[in-house]
Formats: sequence, structure tokens, C-alpha cells
Amino acid sequence: EPEVTQTPSHQVTQMGQEVILRCVPISNHLYFYWYRQILGQKVEFLVSFYNNEISEKSEIFDDQFSVERPDGSNFTLKIRSTKLEDSAMYFCASSELLAGAGETQYFGPGTRLLVL
Amino acid sequence: DQQVKQNSPSLSVQEGRISILNCDYTNSMFDYFLWYKKYPAEGPTFLISISSIKDKNEDGRFTVFLNKSAKHLSLHIVPSQPGDSAVYFCAASARGAQKLVFGQGTRLTINP
Repeated sequence: EPEVTQTPSHQVTQMGQEVILRCVPISNHLYFYWYRQILGQKVEFLVSFYNNEISEKSEIFDDQFSVERPDGSNFTLKIRSTKLEDSAMYFCASSELLAGAGETQYFGPGTRLLVL
Repeated sequence: DQQVKQNSPSLSVQEGRISILNCDYTNSMFDYFLWYKKYPAEGPTFLISISSIKDKNEDGRFTVFLNKSAKHLSLHIVPSQPGDSAVYFCAASARGAQKLVFGQGTRLTINP
């Protein structure tokens, strides 16, 4: 069964450093998403991406964050200058069609980011 | 953001019995609802969904019920099995919006 994959599974970084989290969405999916879950809190939406551009973003997704689809398979989340409060589990998701049209999003296993 | 609420942080059920997980929402624009199951150190796994035009959807041991007037949905698992022990998240999306809004999750423990 096709699945979303994410690398790395764990990332430890120093505050102020840049990190890139990588995702390979399900191959025939057109919509891509990033969510995060801070320990003990809800899963929160960060951004959605379609046709090589951001289609929706939350207030969390400020100028420190960026997303890119550098090739036909990878989808990346970059945090330019990490803060302690960026420590969280980051989940990538993808869907075949627009999620708001009743389409299911499928999630990857997550990357646990720890900022020291 | 309390648009989706799961008021029970945990639930313990005997193996073989029915597990009922509840979820309430406040945004009347939500029209698609999903349940995800999550094991520690893994991503949410899709279980079952329901559109607002329906009031019930069934898939094997899992049934989701939607009460639009009460803005309430529930997930029934019957019979419950030890492998069902996990955290269950309710999520919702609105027509035209791309984000899923998640509840806080309910930790289900199935006791042998």
C-alpha cells in the first residue's frame, strides 16, 4: 500500500540553525501538507501546497518557514532560524484531491525535531 | 482554537466490548469528518470518514455516527481488540478549506 515517507525520523539542532525536513508524498497525490504536534498539544495545520505554490497557511507559518517541491517526488519544510518553541513532531500529509472536497489526507510517520 | 473537542482524554474498555469515542465541533462550516488512530512515535493513520450528507458510515468493526444538529460525532469500535489501544483523533474540514482541524485526542486502552 502506498504511503507517505519522511526523513529524518529525528533531528536535533541548535537554536538559530536552519533545518530541512523532507517528505515523499504518495505518488499520484496532488496536494501536500505540513502539520506539527507540540508535545501534549493538538495536531496543528501549518501549510498546504498545490501546483508548486502555497494554497493555504496558518498563522504559525511565518517568514521563518518555507516549503518547496524541489523535484517530482520530494516535498520539504525549511525552518530558517530555529527557536526552542519549534521543538515538535512534524507530520507531512498528502491527498489526491482537495481536502476541503471531502478528500482524505494521509500522514507520514513524522520527524521529531528537538531544538536545544 | 477549540473548534473540535474530544472531552475524554482517556477511555478504558474490556476486550470484546464496544468502545465509543466522542467528538464535538462548533464550526457549522465543517462538512467532512475523519477519525485517525495514532500509535506512539508514528503518524496518524486514517480509519474512517463521514460526509455531512450522511449520518452513518460503517467499515468493518468501525462505525462513525454524525449528528449535525448536535454538532456531535462518535466512533464505535465493536468488538474491541487489544490492537485497538492507541490515541484516536477526530478531525474536520470545511468545504473549500484545505486544513484539517484536530481534536485533542482520546487514549483508548483495551484490557484483556
